[in-house]
Amino acid sequence: DAGVTQSPTHLIKTRGQQVTLRCSPKSGHDTVSWYQQALGQGPQFIFQYYEEEERQRGNFPDRFSGHQFPNYSSELNVNALLLGDSALYLCASSLVGSPTDTQYFGPGTRLTVL
Amino acid sequence: AQSVTQPDIHITVSEGASLELRCNYSYGATPYLFWYVQSPGQGLQLLLKYFSGDTLVQGIKGFEAEFKRSQSSFNLRKPSVHWSDAAEYFCAVGAPGSSNTGKLIFGQGTTLQVKP
Repeated sequence: DAGVTQSPTHLIKTRGQQVTLRCSPKSGHDTVSWYQQALGQGPQFIFQYYEEEERQRGNFPDRFSGHQFPNYSSELNVNALLLGDSALYLCASSLVGSPTDTQYFGPGTRLTVL
Repeated sequence: AQSVTQPDIHITVSEGASLELRCNYSYGATPYLFWYVQSPGQGLQLLLKYFSGDTLVQGIKGFEAEFKRSQSSFNLRKPSVHWSDAAEYFCAVGAPGSSNTGKLIFGQGTTLQVKP
């Protein structure tokens, strides 16, 4: 049973470029959340997708957008990259309606903006 | 505003010694509470969670945590630390209005170093 997978593992971009990160949820899960973890900080919630729609959003600018596909996988897009966008981006999946479930995290994508 | 505080940024303990990592939260009601561990270059692994009921919860790897409503705390404990426990530990709460699988608010983390 595969857990949450993310690609790529590492990515280097320059300021102003655009990036797309990908996430496949744990088998049986239907919800994907994205978090940004800056160096030395705790993860910060970006947004959550369920039924191909954004369900919740954290305090991130519109440069951060996402998408969820019918197979529940998800993409995170960041436009007009800034140096401050350098971070570990974590994807987490869960199952809506499960009273005992929680979020399971992937290994993350390390984004470096030069 | 909702917040999670982990007062200790860095803790060093000797192998075999006991451990307690502190976590305090601000919230208007009893939130969903979690402890995650992150090894270098890894994602987050859930150690334990509290949703309701017994305030002492058991987790994986011999960890436990106690929810104290009066102190707004959810401290993580382990009676005997192993060298493999060296990692970053994060306390998290479910955001107001979120379900148990909704938005999480994380503390800044505590780095645990284990001395041989």
